[in-house]
Amino acid sequence: QLQVQESGPGLVKPSETLSLTCAVSGGSISSSSYWWAWIRQPPGEGLEWIGSISFSGTPYYKPSLQSRLTISVDTSKNDFSLRLRSVTAADTAVYYCATTFFYGSGSFSYAFDMWSQGTMVTVSS
Amino acid sequence: DIQMTQSPSSLSASVGDRVTITCRASQRISNSLNWYLQKPGKAPKFLIYDASSLQSGVPSRFSGGGSGTDYTLTITNLQPEDFGTYYCQQSYTGPLTFGGGTKLEIK
Repeated sequence: QLQVQESGPGLVKPSETLSLTCAVSGGSISSSSYWWAWIRQPPGEGLEWIGSISFSGTPYYKPSLQSRLTISVDTSKNDFSLRLRSVTAADTAVYYCATTFFYGSGSFSYAFDMWSQGTMVTVSS
Repeated sequence: DIQMTQSPSSLSASVGDRVTITCRASQRISNSLNWYLQKPGKAPKFLIYDASSLQSGVPSRFSGGGSGTDYTLTITNLQPEDFGTYYCQQSYTGPLTFGGGTKLEIK
């Protein structure tokens, strides 16, 4: 059973970089069966897709975040990471990593299958 | 971006009831529609993909339907574990977007 678990600091100062890592267990991050995703949820609000990365390491970012965002895969550690630069209070949220479940032929024809428990990241000085 | 609008934003129902939640996309999404259930303080749980296909392990009292821009999630014979917030999400094109959520509460 594929599982993911994120880790990283819960407090980040404004203008600094938010860095999170998602460890994958129960399978290989290099498997062609999966892509890997980051989703966030501001307190009391809905879900927001941040970006995804393919098994080959090709990232797809939400355009409004693209200039500040890097998602990467580390096959040696079987994990993937999120780096969001120049954060503001608007980036305060619970951050989830997730696996994907493909059901179609399109580049985005997938759902978010297994989710991490989520980690609250607060941007504050 | 494709905007996803859910209705109602909240509803109350009793155990055993039948409820329907609607999700409308701002453009046609060709059944590329997924549903999730989130309980307070927990990660969302994947329920339905491709508008009407149940993920493995999801009870058959859940069903999805619709086409074009309008989609529905129906739950028959509501159970206590079905209460929480439901989200739709389009996977037709990037950026992937979610609806605002429908909070289903116990009456």
